[in-house]
Amino acid sequence: SYELTQPPSVSVSPGQTASITCSGDKLGNNKYTSWYQQRPGQSPVLVIYQDKKRPSGIPERFSGSSSGNTATLTVSGTQAMDEADYYCQAWDSSSDVVFGGGTKLTVL
Amino acid sequence: QLQLQESGPGLVKPSETLSLTCAVSGGSISSSAYYWGWIRQPPGKGLEWIGSMSYSGSTYYNKSLKSRVTISLDMSKNQFSLKVTSVTAADTAIYYCARRMDGSGSYPDHWGQGTLVTVSS
Repeated sequence: SYELTQPPSVSVSPGQTASITCSGDKLGNNKYTSWYQQRPGQSPVLVIYQDKKRPSGIPERFSGSSSGNTATLTVSGTQAMDEADYYCQAWDSSSDVVFGGGTKLTVL
Repeated sequence: QLQLQESGPGLVKPSETLSLTCAVSGGSISSSAYYWGWIRQPPGKGLEWIGSMSYSGSTYYNKSLKSRVTISLDMSKNQFSLKVTSVTAADTAIYYCARRMDGSGSYPDHWGQGTLVTVSS
């Protein structure tokens, strides 16, 4: 079955740039990545889809990229409100929707 | 605006069947462009996709749950359902319903608020 791998945690200082990676076969080449933000006690919210597109209402400081089997979510000018769990997601024809294990972003 | 709302018992006994319903408003589940699915999240853990179903009857199920899970659509009520049989404490989780587009690169774009189901005697 298809798998996505994320680091368990990433730390960043306020105002700095945070990068969260997601690795999986064919990411950036025929397989798209989406990213979800989940704050404590809330449902996940889509922040990036199809590698680099932002849904309406998502701040421009969230951006995405993907190449060489690795997708990256970048949060520029990180704010305290960005502290949350982030999940990458891809679709595979044999596994359907697949999520990464999640990365806890801490804004120190 | 599309809205999804889960409902069902919050407490299920071990070995029994967990049954949840997702009511959809602001859109029709009869659209051929979408799949309707379920996701769960055990307390303190990550997201797990359970499965999805389309208007045409096409289904995907997580291989680890496939033998115990059934997803069905009720077009007359514009809602869809999840059944998980023979539950154990490991099935305790927040259960979310969601919509995803058909096709490669698909992603869940609308989610319900989630409902906590506890498996306990």
